[in-house]
Amino acid sequence: AQKVTQAQTEISVVEKEDVTLDCVYETRDTTYYLFWYKQPPSGELVFLIRRNSFDEQNEISGRYSWNFQKSTSSFNFTITASQVVDSAVYFCALSEWAGANSKLTFGKGITLSVRP
Amino acid sequence: NAGVTQTPKFQVLKTGQSMTLQCAQDMNHNSMYWYRQDPGMGLRLIYYSASEGTTDKGEVPNGYNVSRLNKREFSLRLESAAPSQTSVYFCASSEQGSSPLHFGNGTRLTVT
Repeated sequence: AQKVTQAQTEISVVEKEDVTLDCVYETRDTTYYLFWYKQPPSGELVFLIRRNSFDEQNEISGRYSWNFQKSTSSFNFTITASQVVDSAVYFCALSEWAGANSKLTFGKGITLSVRP
Repeated sequence: NAGVTQTPKFQVLKTGQSMTLQCAQDMNHNSMYWYRQDPGMGLRLIYYSASEGTTDKGEVPNGYNVSRLNKREFSLRLESAAPSQTSVYFCASSEQGSSPLHFGNGTRLTVT
């Protein structure tokens, strides 16, 4: 069965600090997808990134970067020079490949607070 | 495009009452999902529909039923609400399994 662990529950940083959100996953499949979602205080869920299990290249998008390491079953998310607008709950999720029946399993989320 | 639309946004029920949460998407997506979000629990899958005409249980299906009315609409029904069903419910859709999910804005349900 697929499982996602986000061991950090709450993180508080001061603006401009870098912060890394950890995600560890479990799966028996060789084909799977990993995701990160953001949930700001307004409550909507915003898709950030999807990686497949065959692509271990790190991804950078502006101040956001993701480090995927199959050897440690981790897909960590780093925010560089954090801003107050980054305050949100961040979810990591995993989907094993099952064709049309694939479905996402979410971690419990990490609440990030960025203080001015 | 509206994306994924959920109604209602808020609802208060008494124990034992029934209600249906509505969800519609206008992105021609094949797959639709219902999740619930509880503090400290993340999002947990209640039911999903991989394609029009099919529905399957997720992680926490007890106390719920679903209907995939057509490709656009996927409703969630609580036949006899219980306080344990107090939660925020999110509907989502995707092109196909493992595609990114597009979420509605959620329904905050309180059962007293």
